Amino acid sequence: DTGVSQDPRHKITKRGQNVTFRCDPISEHNRLYWYRQTLGQGPEFLTYFQNEAQLEKSRLLSDRFSAERPKGSFSTLEIQRTEQGDSAMYLCASSLWPRSGLTSSTDTQYFGPGTRLTVL
Amino acid sequence: AQRVTQPEKLLSVFKGAPVELKCNYSYSGSPELFWYVQYSRQRLQLLLRHISRESIKGFTADLNKGETSFHLKKPFAQEEDSAMYYCALSRDYGGATNKLIFGTGTLLAVQP
Repeated sequence: DTGVSQDPRHKITKRGQNVTFRCDPISEHNRLYWYRQTLGQGPEFLTYFQNEAQLEKSRLLSDRFSAERPKGSFSTLEIQRTEQGDSAMYLCASSLWPRSGLTSSTDTQYFGPGTRLTVL
Repeated sequence: AQRVTQPEKLLSVFKGAPVELKCNYSYSGSPELFWYVQYSRQRLQLLLRHISRESIKGFTADLNKGETSFHLKKPFAQEEDSAMYYCALSRDYGGATNKLIFGTGTLLAVQP
């Protein structure tokens, strides 16, 4: 399977614990996005990277959240001191931004299966 | 503020009936609009984007800037069209985009 993969697929934790999720993008994709989806809502943007640079963070990304993409390949999203309100599906997506900067129709975001977090 | 509104949580139609999933947006700049679909137990996937002007699986969507709408249409629904449909918006960077702003989704149920 050459699509976006996420690990773990499910995570149950107790309030106050730290959790870390991993996302492996499609291999040649240089952009990586994190979204969060709660029940009955569409995905909400959290942050995105171009290569290893984190270019934008949503206000949803509180100080307890941190995302990294150290080598411009896989990314991790860590939540410290989890709260019940953090329970959600965390989605990762990747895309290819043309390196030359020319316009292109290739910047389509491909989503992973998500990591479902339950905070007890 | 940038916002996408999908007024219907559920749309139920019979097989062979026309389908229209509504999407309205609020955006001050030049937007790019998308429809994403999620079939049962599958990941979110792009159905179509307005810039491509394609028909995918018989679905079409026209961007109406005057009405700030991007409704998804199909003349004859099939049972395999049953899925959750999300309308999404992004800023148009000359063909490339970054973050997507999603609506709350509409569940399309096609009855036999």
